[in-house]
Amino acid sequence: AQRVTQPEKLLSVFKGAPVELKCNYSYSGSPELFWYVQYSRQRLQLLLRHISRESIKGFTADLNKGETSFHLKKPFAQEEDSAMYYCALRGGSQGNLIFGKGTKLSVKP
Amino acid sequence: DGGITQSPKYLFRKEGQNVTLSCEQNLNHDAMYWYRQDPGQGLRLIYYSQIVNDFQKGDIAEGYSVSREKKESFPLTVTSAQKNPTAFYLCASSIDRDEKLFFGSGTQLSVL
Repeated sequence: AQRVTQPEKLLSVFKGAPVELKCNYSYSGSPELFWYVQYSRQRLQLLLRHISRESIKGFTADLNKGETSFHLKKPFAQEEDSAMYYCALRGGSQGNLIFGKGTKLSVKP
Repeated sequence: DGGITQSPKYLFRKEGQNVTLSCEQNLNHDAMYWYRQDPGQGLRLIYYSQIVNDFQKGDIAEGYSVSREKKESFPLTVTSAQKNPTAFYLCASSIDRDEKLFFGSGTQLSVL
């Protein structure tokens, strides 16, 4: 079954600390993975996608097919990173996105 | 703040009543989607449309209906058959199915 698992509902770190939001997936084909973010009082928006291999706002995510993971990392968290983060897999019916349940990141001063 | 607009922001439904949630986009996107978001459940796909006059069921379509008569509009009707309609509903659009999603600000539906 196609599935996205985000094991942490809430992750709390201090400003300047490294942060890693975990995402594991289950998919039989070649996966396409994304991270979406929702800041307070803003709309859900794309943060990054693995095929772009880009760094956005200091965040990176590497696809690890062996561990079926796509963890989101940032070496030094900032308070403005506090938000809800959703990992998503393209693989649903007709190639639609399957979302994880989300992780709320709280960066404390 | 154009792009994709959902209305109303809050909606209340009485027992046995059908209600319609509006979603309009001015991005000239072909694909549009409806997601349901429940606390701790992430987003689940209700219906999607890749082109005008065509739509497909998502993972939780029962009790919902949609139409796509115009490219810019994709209204969602929550019918009386949906027994647990209280949720936050998100509409999204994309240039095509393979591109990133742009989301609306959502509609919170509650049952009176």
